Amino acid sequence: GAVVSQHPSRVICKSGTSVKIECRSLDFQATTMFWYRQFPKQSLMLMATSNEGSKATYEQGVEKDKFLINHASLTLSTLTVTSAHPEDSSFYICSGVLAGGTDTQYFGPGTRLTVL
Amino acid sequence: SQKIEQNSEALNIQEGKTATLTCNYTNYSPAYLQWYRQDPGRGPVFLLLIRENEKEKRKERLKVTFDTTLKQSLFHITASQPADSATYLCALDGGGATNKLIFGTGTLLAVQP
Repeated sequence: GAVVSQHPSRVICKSGTSVKIECRSLDFQATTMFWYRQFPKQSLMLMATSNEGSKATYEQGVEKDKFLINHASLTLSTLTVTSAHPEDSSFYICSGVLAGGTDTQYFGPGTRLTVL
Repeated sequence: SQKIEQNSEALNIQEGKTATLTCNYTNYSPAYLQWYRQDPGRGPVFLLLIRENEKEKRKERLKVTFDTTLKQSLFHITASQPADSATYLCALDGGGATNKLIFGTGTLLAVQP
């Protein structure tokens, strides 16, 4: 149980375009989802906390107008990287926390974004 | 701010031995600490959670200890297998009302057959 999927798993785009990444909890409801970014050989850096039906809370240094997060339902959160640039190339990972559950986060498989 | 340190050097051990990974933290008193496994190009997979009032937690071949005085957690894998080779991340609760986590940089474990 507690499976999280992400789509797409890999995306290559041109500089200046926008990319949407979907995060779905397949067999549980997640009132809270998190978005992380991971550069090579580095740890996961939390970008934002997404709560269903409300605005996301962004970590310091993360531009909310560049990384748009929508948490429309208890099973879906989306991250849109707007006007992507090569420095946005990274591994983006989402996680969900079971509604009414413990503090464990269940992670998706990640999305590799490459901006040319 | 919170600081989490994991040994950045890879840990190489022989199959069958016990692997011990260390997670140290400063400037914080977490309510709980978690360990995750991450394989290359994949998202982390939850392994164990230990709370501040717990000294030790076990799950099959895994054991985690939590010393709030030393501000340290040890993660043990007994009877290690090549399939245990991966990066292991420790994470502390981020505080506040949310469930957010602060991750360490991880330690790469390589189990040689």
